[in-house]
Amino acid sequence: EVHLVESGGGLVQPGGSLRLSCSASTFTFRNYAMYWVRQAPGKGLEFVSAITNIGDNIYYADSVKGRFIISRDNSKSTLYLQLGGLRAEDTAVYFCAKQMNRGYFPTDYWGQGTLVTVSS
Amino acid sequence: EIVLTQSPATLSVSPGERATLSCRASQSVSTNLAWYQQKFGQAPRLLIYDASTRATGIPARFSGSGSGTEFTLTISSLQSEDFAVYYCHQYNYWVYTFGQGTKLEIK
Repeated sequence: EVHLVESGGGLVQPGGSLRLSCSASTFTFRNYAMYWVRQAPGKGLEFVSAITNIGDNIYYADSVKGRFIISRDNSKSTLYLQLGGLRAEDTAVYFCAKQMNRGYFPTDYWGQGTLVTVSS
Repeated sequence: EIVLTQSPATLSVSPGERATLSCRASQSVSTNLAWYQQKFGQAPRLLIYDASTRATGIPARFSGSGSGTEFTLTISSLQSEDFAVYYCHQYNYWVYTFGQGTKLEIK
């Protein structure tokens, strides 16, 4: 069974920064594109960012472009999301998720998420 | 950005009955559409991908259909554990989008 564990969430003031991590195990991390998806309290799912398996292509939602940075360390089987310039509307549970396969495929496994709260 | 519109927002169905959920895309996504189930406090669970292929371990009472811009998720003979929120999701482009969700509740 695929295992994804997010960490690094917490309470941060507006304008602040935070780094989220997603530790992967039981699958060959370097072979799969990875995603961050968030969910504001009581709301739906929102794509945040994606990175290809070797990190040569990166994608962001317009809402976070220029403020968030996705990266990965395949030697550590870990995905990261650096959050900067945080706003109240960034408050959400942040999930990491693994793409099912290369090409046109959805994500098939998700972590349990880490909560980021942006408030003064 | 492709916008996915789900209907209805809330669906009330009795256990044992059939539920039909709809998802409309603002432009064609071919069959690159998935359905997820999410229960409170849990991560989404992949049910259907490629519009009609059940994911591993998903019961046969879940079925998907459609292509282009119109898609349907059907749950035949609802079980108690099926009452949850369902999201459609397009992966025709790297920038994923999700529908706003349909809450399936017990009638």
